Amino acid sequence: DVKVTQSSRYLVKRTGEKVFLECVQDMDHENMFWYRQDPGLGLRLIYFSYDVKMKEKGDIPEGYSVSREKKERFSLILESASTNQTSMYLCASSLTTYEQYFGPGTRLTVT
Amino acid sequence: RKEVEQDPGPFNVPEGATVAFNCTYSNSASQSFFWYRQDCRKEPKLLMSVYSSGNEDGRFTAQLNRASQYISLLIRDSKLSDSATYLCVVNMKGGGGADGLTFGKGTHLIIQP
Repeated sequence: DVKVTQSSRYLVKRTGEKVFLECVQDMDHENMFWYRQDPGLGLRLIYFSYDVKMKEKGDIPEGYSVSREKKERFSLILESASTNQTSMYLCASSLTTYEQYFGPGTRLTVT
Repeated sequence: RKEVEQDPGPFNVPEGATVAFNCTYSNSASQSFFWYRQDCRKEPKLLMSVYSSGNEDGRFTAQLNRASQYISLLIRDSKLSDSATYLCVVNMKGGGGADGLTFGKGTHLIIQP
């Protein structure tokens, strides 16, 4: 079974802090994704990566950056956390452009 | 027009009933279609792919109507465990691209005993 793990299930940070969210997949997938999910807005793509050291902006990249130094790991960085970044963050990976496997999510609260 | 649109519900359905919901998509060049299921406070998981000829997996049937640009999900003999949010997912970019999947906001289904 594909396993996608995220570093934290719940995280509370203060406004202005730098926040790192880590995602690791164990199936040698090329593609990895970061989404945020908010009530009434659904899943929105922040960034994705189709190879090591490659990254592409999704629909809402502002305020975020990413890092992919190894194939299995994809990190989401909030350079200076703000309250409007309080959300559920979901990482996903896929071998093709089709089925995506999601991690359990990180519920981030910025106070 | 929104790219992938679903009725958010909730659909309240008695156990054992049949329930169906649709999803419309805006890009006629879309190539692939899926239904994902998301339980409360859990991650989305693939329920089934939707093929041009339609497909069935046990109590679940998915259909694609390209002419009208919608896909449907039918659940027969619904169980309490079917209560979840069902996400319609469309590959909007036709030939591919890692970012091609567009998720609908989901339809919330509640099966009542």
